[in-house]
Amino acid sequence: GEDVEQSLFLSVREGDSSVINCTYTDSSSTYLYWYKQEPGAGLQLLTYIFSNMDMKQDKRLTVLLNKKDKHLSLRIADTQTGDSAIYFCAGGSYIPTFGRGTSLIVHP
Amino acid sequence: DAGVTQSPTHLIKTRGQQVTLRCSPISGHKSVSWYQQVLGQGPQFIFQYYEKEERGRGNFPDRFSARQFPNYSSELNVNALLLGDSALYLCASSLEPGRDKEKLFFGSGTQLSVL
Repeated sequence: GEDVEQSLFLSVREGDSSVINCTYTDSSSTYLYWYKQEPGAGLQLLTYIFSNMDMKQDKRLTVLLNKKDKHLSLRIADTQTGDSAIYFCAGGSYIPTFGRGTSLIVHP
Repeated sequence: DAGVTQSPTHLIKTRGQQVTLRCSPISGHKSVSWYQQVLGQGPQFIFQYYEKEERGRGNFPDRFSARQFPNYSSELNVNALLLGDSALYLCASSLEPGRDKEKLFFGSGTQLSVL
């Protein structure tokens, strides 16, 4: 099965870029996902990338996929205080497996 | 359109009791998945249902069961509750499992506390 690893915390200053990293083990993952969870809420699908792509950009979000190293990253440009949340990387060939989440803290 | 709806939002039970959690998927979605999220952890897969059939099961004991109804809504049942069952239970719907229609859309969850 899939194993997904993420760093647990990231602290950035408002206006800077944030980069959240993730490694995974299942090279047959069709899609890789980034979800956002705010306190007391469910998971919100932020973006996803198909496994045959290297990069996907969606407004302030950029996803980079390095299949050789099985590494996925999410870059948030111009990070705002409203971006403070837990970000989950997920992947898998059939049923998405989630990492433990990276807690992003944005300070003024 | 309404998103994934779950009920109840919060629940308190005692050890040994039984609980039923409910989920209504997004209109048009035929697949429902259940996840358990313990505080500080990522969601752990429990079940996936598609067209009323169980399509996948995670590493959970037989005390956990689920079903899907003809209108694609779903229930998760947990028997003989343990303290360790305290968690946020998340329901997610998707068009169908696999291929390019597996993107999961989550409800806000049911927070279960077992005392």
